[in-house]
Amino acid sequence: DVKVTQSSRYLVKRTGEKVFLECVQDMDHENMFWYRQDPGLGLRLIYFSYDVKMKEKGDIPEGYSVSREKKERFSLILESASTNQTSMYLCASSALGPAIRNTEAFFGQGTRLTVV
Amino acid sequence: AQKITQTQPGMFVQEKEAVTLDCTYDTSDQSYGLFWYKQPSSGEMIFLIYQGSYDEQNATEGRYSLNFQKARKSANLVISASQLGDSAMYFCAMREGFQGGSEKLVFGKGTKLTVNP
Repeated sequence: DVKVTQSSRYLVKRTGEKVFLECVQDMDHENMFWYRQDPGLGLRLIYFSYDVKMKEKGDIPEGYSVSREKKERFSLILESASTNQTSMYLCASSALGPAIRNTEAFFGQGTRLTVV
Repeated sequence: AQKITQTQPGMFVQEKEAVTLDCTYDTSDQSYGLFWYKQPSSGEMIFLIYQGSYDEQNATEGRYSLNFQKARKSANLVISASQLGDSAMYFCAMREGFQGGSEKLVFGKGTKLTVNP
């Protein structure tokens, strides 16, 4: 059974803390993605990666960074957490394309982060 | 600019009837893929259906079909014979090539479907 696992289901952090969200996949996928999901805004892409040590900015990278030291692991880092980063964070992975080939993305269960 | 536009924040349908969820997309690529995902209240993301930009036939998966109109850049999801269990958020997504071999996967804002008994 394919799996994308996020390290925490719920997290509460204080403003200014450095926060690490971890994501691990066991499907040997090249692509990994981080999204945040907010009501009425859908899933917004924060960062994505197609290979170890490679990363690309998504649509809302400000206030976030990522790390991909191993193929199976993609970490999202909030350098200094702020209350407006309170959200649901979803990690996903997929095989490499091309885009015209059906390589569906598999998602983790999500991490609900609250910054107080 | 929005890459994926879902104009219906909420939709209602009677059980056993068909419903169409709208999705338009914006890309200058010739090669891209379109996806629909379902997110029930439990929060998991469930893949429903895929359409490649070069596919000439509309994709179908059981009760789901994708009405692909390339010239209009639309990829509407049609659910036939709605069931109570179809009540969920539905997201349209597009994957396209990005610089240096990477691939970007972006989602719309979603449509909340409610199936009434």
